Amino acid sequence: SAVISQKPSRDICQRGTSLTIQCQVDSQVTMMFWYRQQPGQSLTLIATANQGSEATYESGFVIDKFPISRPNLTFSTLTVSNMSPEDSSIYLCSDLPGNTQYFGPGTRLTVL
Amino acid sequence: GENVEQHPSTLSVQEGDSAVIKCTYSDSASNYFPWYKQELGKGPQLIIDIRSNVGEKKDQRIAVTLNKTAKHFSLHITETQPEDSAVYFCAATKGNAGNMLTFGGGTRLMVKP
Repeated sequence: SAVISQKPSRDICQRGTSLTIQCQVDSQVTMMFWYRQQPGQSLTLIATANQGSEATYESGFVIDKFPISRPNLTFSTLTVSNMSPEDSSIYLCSDLPGNTQYFGPGTRLTVL
Repeated sequence: GENVEQHPSTLSVQEGDSAVIKCTYSDSASNYFPWYKQELGKGPQLIIDIRSNVGEKKDQRIAVTLNKTAKHFSLHITETQPEDSAVYFCAATKGNAGNMLTFGGGTRLMVKP
């Protein structure tokens, strides 16, 4: 199975600020993903981040709000910009080595 | 696109009893069905998966069954233990790179000692 780490594990932020979440995976993968999990809810895909190309965003998510970087095959970042309390969620990084998808431990974000 | 529905949303069982969680999917082209367990404060962990070329798969106390005709699949946990308490998510996908997982709404399983 894949080993995925995320930083920070949790943060409390003020509205209007931005937070960058880092994701490191233990093997080189083409596809990495960012999900949002609102309190008590299921997982919603924000975007797919392929190395060497711009991220592909799902309906309802835009690059200005959630810019993503993918500088190499084992690392990605997600920035939550101009935060509001509605952005309070768990943000999960995921990768796809082969045909099986694995998830990181998540970043629990609280926006005051 | 794919739609996955999961039932029940909460399930409470006595330790030692069995637990069954059911999911239905809408896209007949889906061919890969993983199940994830999410403990409090952690990310989802893959516990078992099944592909459309088999009808059942077992791994110790957990099993998954798939009925392609009816487009539903189920997770079975036998001899439940308190450490099985978690939120379980089913998912479905066509399984090719670029076809993302569609998740069910989740089931909160509580195993009472």
